[in-house]
Amino acid sequence: AQSVAQPEDQVNVAEGNPLTVKCTYSVSGNPYLFWYVQYPNRGLQFLLKYITGDNLVKGSYGFEAEFNKSQTSFHLKKPSALVSDSALYFCAAPSGGYNKLIFGAGTRLAVHP
Amino acid sequence: EAGVTQFPSHSVIEKGQTVTLRCDPISGHDNLYWYRRVMGKEIKFLLHFVKESKQDESGMPNNRFLAERTGGTYSTLKVQPAELEDSGVYFCASSTTGQSPLHFGNGTRLTVT
Repeated sequence: AQSVAQPEDQVNVAEGNPLTVKCTYSVSGNPYLFWYVQYPNRGLQFLLKYITGDNLVKGSYGFEAEFNKSQTSFHLKKPSALVSDSALYFCAAPSGGYNKLIFGAGTRLAVHP
Repeated sequence: EAGVTQFPSHSVIEKGQTVTLRCDPISGHDNLYWYRRVMGKEIKFLLHFVKESKQDESGMPNNRFLAERTGGTYSTLKVQPAELEDSGVYFCASSTTGQSPLHFGNGTRLTVT
């Protein structure tokens, strides 16, 4: 069965430091992978996606994600965290349809001044 | 452009009552999805409309849930009768095509007491 896992419930990072939010996947075939972000009291917003090609994908708000096939990972990264990046981050993959997504449990990112 | 809007933002009902959630997708978006996040668990797919037709309703938990999209514009999700385990956040999302990024609404938080 397809699955996406986010091993960390929460990640804490100081403003200005690099951040990583982890995601691992188990999907059949060539994986499509997504990151979405949910700010407080808001809906999910699309950040970036990996379909094929370059393993380093750049997205919105300075975020990027690295697809690693051998480690079945798709970690979200940002070189310098902002307090405004504090939010809930979800990794997702299609399961039976491009937008029929399975989501990880979510990782809460807290960026401290 | 106006985003995906959901109404109400919060609903508290008693077990056995009926609740209807509404979603207005972005104008021109033929694809409309319902997802829900129950009790802090993973976000789960419920169903997918293309215009007024149900493309995939495999995620609907049982026959207490009824989704409609008359005229291919807004959609409603009715829960009748509501049970305690239905409590959670119900998200609606829309996209222009079946392979373009999802735009999520802010969600409806349903509490069944």
